[in-house]
Order: sequence, then C-alpha cells, then structure tokens
Amino acid sequence: DGGITQSPKYLFRKEGQNVTLSCEQNLNHDAMYWYRQDPGQGLRLIYYSQIVNDFQKGDIAEGYSVSREKKESFPLTVTSAQKNPTAFYLCASSLPQKNTEAFFGQGTRLTVV
Amino acid sequence: AQSVTQLDSQVPVFEEAPVELRCNYSSSVSVYLFWYVQYPNQGLQLLLKYLSGSTLVKGINGFEAEFNKSQTSFHLRKPSVHISDTAEYFCAVSAFSGGFKTIFGAGTRLFVKA
Repeated sequence: DGGITQSPKYLFRKEGQNVTLSCEQNLNHDAMYWYRQDPGQGLRLIYYSQIVNDFQKGDIAEGYSVSREKKESFPLTVTSAQKNPTAFYLCASSLPQKNTEAFFGQGTRLTVV
Repeated sequence: AQSVTQLDSQVPVFEEAPVELRCNYSSSVSVYLFWYVQYPNQGLQLLLKYLSGSTLVKGINGFEAEFNKSQTSFHLRKPSVHISDTAEYFCAVSAFSGGFKTIFGAGTRLFVKA
C-alpha cells in the first residue's frame, strides 16, 4: 500500500541533544513538508521541499534542519538550538500542483526530558 | 498572504444532532480549500476539498461543506453525527503567494456525546 511512514512514533530526547525524525513516502510525490503541532495552535510549517536537493524554510524553521537527497525521504533534525522542541511532528507529501491535497504520516511525538 | 480562522475551538454536540464547524479565510488571490480530520495521536486525513465548480462539496463520512466566496467562508456540516466523529477538524487554504503554500487553521475539536 502507498503511504507515508514516520518513525519512531514516540521519541524522548535529553536537553542539548540533536535528534532526527524519519519520513519516507512511496507515493511518488515531489513535494514534502514538515509541520509542528502544538495544542490549540494548529499546524505550523517548519520546512518544505518541492524537489530533490532543494528545500525552503517555513514559518518556524529556527532550530531545525532538513535534507532531501532522495525523492522518497525527507528527514527532520531537531537541533539543540530549538528552545522548546516538545511537540507532535507531522510529515506530509503532495503532488506539486496547488490544487492537490496533502497526505500525512501518523506523526512522531517528541518529548524532551 | 492568506490566513484561516476557525471560529470555534471546541464544539460539543449530542449524538444524531446536526453540526456545523465554521471556517473563514482571507486571501488576495484565488484559493483552494480543504477540510481534514485528525483522530487522537494520528496524522490528518482529507475529508473534502473545493477546487472549482459547484460550491457544495461532499466528502467522506457524510460530511459536506459550502464555499461562499462573498463571505469568504467554507463551513463544514453533517446532518447527524455519531460518537465516532469525535476528533479534531482542520480547515486549510492553499494559494500562490510568493510560492505555493498551504495554511491550516487552529483546529476545532468536535466532541460527540451520547
């Protein structure tokens, strides 16, 4: 079945450590996105990529980094510079045309301990 | 730039009652509109979308939404809700503004009571 896989589902990190969240899709979508979800704030865009080897900052990119070396993969690294990283992270993909919906993974809940 | 406002953060309703979840948007260009549903600790799933054509859009699970350009609204409705409809619902707007972007509303939590 085609879809988006995020791993792990739950992740714990000590303060000062970097951590990488995985996102893989087999939908052959060109565009991929990372969102952060906090209670009562909806989804906020961290980074997005419309094509391999290219990506752009979203609204809250500080403290995060990404890479897009393969079409299927768009990992997100939460660095120690991110002041409040505890959140639910969602990865999505879509065809690049503006009238198509996004397909979401099941999310990764990151907790800093 | 576009924005999305979901007017209610929580909507409690009894089972089998009708429900409307409100969404207003602002944009200086043409938009595409979406409603997504999120069950606890899961990703978002598309309920329905408006691209063009008929302003009344039907989606999955008996939901429908109406695009009203003059009021810049895209309210979601269901004539009779079930306990299983308890979830968070997100309205989203997609438009080209210095690059293609989708903006999500803050979400409305629908709580269906027996």
